[in-house]
Amino acid sequence: GAVVSQHPSWVICKSGTSVKIECRSLDFQATTMFWYRQFPKQSLMLMATSNEGSKATYEQGVEKDKFLINHASLTLSTLTVTSAHPEDSSFYICSARPGYGYTFGSGTRLTVV
Amino acid sequence: AQTVTQSQPEMSVQEAETVTLSCTYDTSENNYYLFWYKQPPSRQMILVIRQEAYKQQNATENRFSVNFQKAAKSFSLKISDSQLGDTAMYFCAFGPSQGAQKLVFGQGTRLTINP
Repeated sequence: GAVVSQHPSWVICKSGTSVKIECRSLDFQATTMFWYRQFPKQSLMLMATSNEGSKATYEQGVEKDKFLINHASLTLSTLTVTSAHPEDSSFYICSARPGYGYTFGSGTRLTVV
Repeated sequence: AQTVTQSQPEMSVQEAETVTLSCTYDTSENNYYLFWYKQPPSRQMILVIRQEAYKQQNATENRFSVNFQKAAKSFSLKISDSQLGDTAMYFCAFGPSQGAQKLVFGQGTRLTINP
């Protein structure tokens, strides 16, 4: 089946630094990647939709300059959390739609200290 | 815009019992997909079952089955012979019939299976 590989699984960074999260489609071409954020015991909240070779579409209320998304190839999409602060600590998940279904990365737990 | 509502924040049953999780949705589309995802403590999203709106027959996957009522816009998940490993968050989700469009998730139901 279609697999999306997400790295890192967890990361701890200092406040003010930047962190990059990668999602790779291993056996299909992902022209679109969805990036979600999930707080404890809550549902997935869509942050942005990235399309290969074009600018990402951000959901209302999501800071474009803080959450930089790049989708430079059909198999790689990245989310960079810039100048991270403790309130950015969360669980981030990517997802793609290779067919009629959706496949998810394993998620990244970000802790900013 | 589509919306998905799960009205049961938490549920708890004994092992081997049957449990039903509720989900309602709203859409003006005629063709679409509905999904149930399981998120265990590992937080990996796992597809439990999928229903295509144009199919009248309810989807079944082993112990998991759905009751899809298109007119009522209802999509409940029944878990039979529940097991300890079924303990997880369950999300109902709406997806378009085709194209690279986002999934719309419900709020989730935290299901606990007690020994």
